Order: sequence, then C-alpha cells, then structure tokens
Amino acid sequence: EAQVTQNPRYLITVTGKKLTVTCSQNMNHEYMSWYRQDPGLGLRQIYYSMNVEVTDKGDVPEGYKVSRKEKRNFPLILESPSPNQTSLYFCASSFGSGISGNTIYFGEGSWLTVV
Amino acid sequence: GQNIDQPTEMTATEGAIVQINCTYQTSGFNGLFWYQQHAGEAPTFLSYNVLDGLEEKGRFSSFLSRSKGYSYLLLKELQMKDSASYLCAGGDSGAGSYQLTFGKGTKLSVIP
Repeated sequence: EAQVTQNPRYLITVTGKKLTVTCSQNMNHEYMSWYRQDPGLGLRQIYYSMNVEVTDKGDVPEGYKVSRKEKRNFPLILESPSPNQTSLYFCASSFGSGISGNTIYFGEGSWLTVV
Repeated sequence: GQNIDQPTEMTATEGAIVQINCTYQTSGFNGLFWYQQHAGEAPTFLSYNVLDGLEEKGRFSSFLSRSKGYSYLLLKELQMKDSASYLCAGGDSGAGSYQLTFGKGTKLSVIP
C-alpha cells in the first residue's frame, strides 16, 4: 500500500528541547516536502527536496532543518522549538518535481505543541 | 513564490452545484491543483490543470484560464460528505525553485 508515514503523530514538548519528526515514503518518490498548517494561514511550505542530498527552503523555513540522506526519508528537525512552532505538520511526496501534475501524497499529520 | 486567493467560506445545499474560485499570481506558472481536506485529516488530491479549459472527473470539474490567472472547482450533486475545505495550490518553477504554494482554503458547508 502506498504510504507516507510520519512519527510522532502527537507530541507535547518544552521550549528548547530538540525534536525530530520523521517522514518515510514507500513509493520511491523523488520529491518530498514539509508543510505546517495553522488556522487562518492554510498550508505553508517549510522545506522541500527534489532528490537525495537536494533540499531547498519553502516559504517558512526559519527554525527548521531537514536532511535527505536516503530517498525514502525526509526528517524535519526543530533544533530549539518555540511556542510559535505549535502547529499541525504534514509531510508529502510525489514523483517528479512536485509541481508537474503527479499526485502528491500526504502523511496523516503530526500535531506538535510546544509549551 | 505565488499569491493565491480563494474565498474563506461557502455554504451550499445538498444536491445543488457550487463553484469555488481561485485566483493566482506567479512568476513561473507550472500548473494548478485542487485538494480536498476534511477537518483534522490530510489533504487528498482532486485535480490538476496546466492547460486552459475544463477537466471533468465525475461530480468534480476544474477549470483554468492562464491568461486571467483564474481557476475554479465545480462540485455537482452536492452530498453532505462534501463538507470540507478545498485548497487551491499553484506550482511555480520560477527562479530555479520548485515550490507548491497553497491558498488558505475554502471551507464548504453542505446543508440539507
């Protein structure tokens, strides 16, 4: 079954404590991306990756890091989380460039609360 | 990046037809997507337009006019389960980047 899997699905953490949200896809997709979704602001792209070792900033990259060492994995790292990073996070993947018309598959989302 | 605008909320009656509009401004247009998202769930793909005109898929159709920077999603024979947010998203390959920018979404409420 085609899947994008994120972990953890729910997390409450404290300010400044480093955390990683993992994302894995089993479809051999080149393109992977992270979004955050906030009320009234919609889905905003944090980082995306066109392939292994190729990453680029989206619209809201501040406070986040990513890596793409393997094709299937694209972890999102919050080095020093702050309360304004409390959000719903989605990982997504697709074939091609991510904007070429291929279906983009989303993970189920990770609810992150920073206190 | 892009600017994508769509109405915040709409209400329509079960069995009716509703049109959700989306306007966009982009430096390197590369197609327009529509996604459906139920509350608390992941977005799911509905349609993609890169050429002008209407694409039909069952009860859902999507239209694009590149010259006007305009798209719409048409939902026919509305059902209660169509109550969801509908997200317009534009692909932009300007300046060597490949970004997908989403609008803020249109929350559709279908009433009996």
